[in-house]
Amino acid sequence: GAVVSQHPSWVICKSGTSVKIECRSLDFQATTMFWYRQFPKQSLMLMATSNEGSKATYEQGVEKDKFLINHASLTLSTLTVTSAHPEDSSFYICSARISNQPQHFGDGTRLSIL
Amino acid sequence: KNEVEQSPQNLTAQEGEFITINCSYSVGISALHWLQQHPGGGIVSLFMLSSGKKKHGRLIATINIQEKHSSLHITASHPRDSAVYICAAQGSGDKLTFGTGTRLAVRP
Repeated sequence: GAVVSQHPSWVICKSGTSVKIECRSLDFQATTMFWYRQFPKQSLMLMATSNEGSKATYEQGVEKDKFLINHASLTLSTLTVTSAHPEDSSFYICSARISNQPQHFGDGTRLSIL
Repeated sequence: KNEVEQSPQNLTAQEGEFITINCSYSVGISALHWLQQHPGGGIVSLFMLSSGKKKHGRLIATINIQEKHSSLHITASHPRDSAVYICAAQGSGDKLTFGTGTRLAVRP
C-alpha cells in the first residue's frame, strides 16, 4: 500500500531554534500534501494544504512566516518551524494523496521545545 | 458545537466483544473517513466511504447520508485493536474536519 515517510519522528531543541520536518511519499506521486498539528488529547487540526510547485494554503490562525512549507516535488514536502518556542511543542503529522483518493498519513513528528 | 462528534469518547471492552463507535456530522460531505491512531501517534486510514457499507476483515463501516451518521464496528475485538479511532468528514474540497476521537481499550 501507499507509504508516507515522515522524518524526524522526535525532536527536542532549544527555544529559538528552527526545525525542519520532511514528509515523503515513497511509492506514489502525491498531488497534494497536508500538514496537521495535534495537541495532547485533542483532534488533528489542519495547518496548511500544499500542492507541488505552488504556495501552500494556510488555515486561519496559522502564521505562514512561522510555519514555512516547501513542496518542491511530487514526493517531498517540508515544514519548517522557525524560531520555535515552547508553545510550538506539539505533534506534527503530514499526509499525502493522489486526487480523489484517501489521504495516507506519516507517523508524525513529536516536537518538544525547551 | 463541533461539526463532527463522536461517541463514546472512551470505551473499554473485553476481548471478543462487538464494538460500535458512532460519528455524527453537521456539514455536507463528499466522503466520510475512519482513521486509526496508535499510541505512538501514527495514523492509518481504515475507510473512506460516501454511501452504504464497507467491510475490511473484522472492521465494518456504515454511513447514513440522510441522518448524517456513520458507525464503525469491530467484530471479535482483540487487544491489538486498542487505539484511538477518529472520524473525519471531507467537504467538497480536500479538507478534513476531524472528530475528537474514541479511545478504545480492549482487555484480554
